[in-house]
Amino acid sequence: ILNVEQSPQSLHVQEGDSTNFTCSFPSSNFYALHWYRWETAKSPEALFVMTLNGDEKKKGRISATLNTKEGYSYLYIKGSQPEDSATYLCAFRDSSASKIIFGSGTRLSIRP
Amino acid sequence: DSGVTQTPKHLITATGQRVTLRCSPRSGDLSVYWYQQSLDQGLQFLIQYYNGEERAKGNILERFSAQQFPDLHSELNLSSLELGDSALYFCASSAAGTSPSYEQYFGPGTRLTVT
Repeated sequence: ILNVEQSPQSLHVQEGDSTNFTCSFPSSNFYALHWYRWETAKSPEALFVMTLNGDEKKKGRISATLNTKEGYSYLYIKGSQPEDSATYLCAFRDSSASKIIFGSGTRLSIRP
Repeated sequence: DSGVTQTPKHLITATGQRVTLRCSPRSGDLSVYWYQQSLDQGLQFLIQYYNGEERAKGNILERFSAQQFPDLHSELNLSSLELGDSALYFCASSAAGTSPSYEQYFGPGTRLTVT
């Protein structure tokens, strides 16, 4: 059974602080890892698609790294702002390309 | 606005009934994905179509079926509805089939309530 786990489940961070969280996925049959940002009452919004071991991607204050050999990805947010408050989801796609498994998300709250 | 549209926004129906959810992908996108988000579960992948053909299948029940039409819009058909089918159904589109490099763009979702 393919399992994707995200930790922590929730995080409260002071505005201006940096933070990071983890997505763990199967280390075999890797095809791609997606990160999404999901605000309440909205739809998931794509942040990154990561495909190669060692990939590092950046979008503004948000960046992500990928380690396919050990099966984890980190998402970093630098200098958190209130608008960063959301649930961050990762999704693993296996090499058969037939399975897309989502983690349960990390809910991030930024305290002003 | 992602460019993906879904109709209807809300649907209330009774157990045993059949409903059809509709999705129009972003202009130029060939792939459509369907996802279900229930209260007690996270986001679950149901099925993917690429240019009219089924490309990948997830945890889709036999009571559910989907298709993608020549104009690339897609419909998800849910039949013999049960209370547990109440959920938010998302459609997403991407430019590619199974190529991993392409982002998926999510529609606003259809909220299905089965009473």
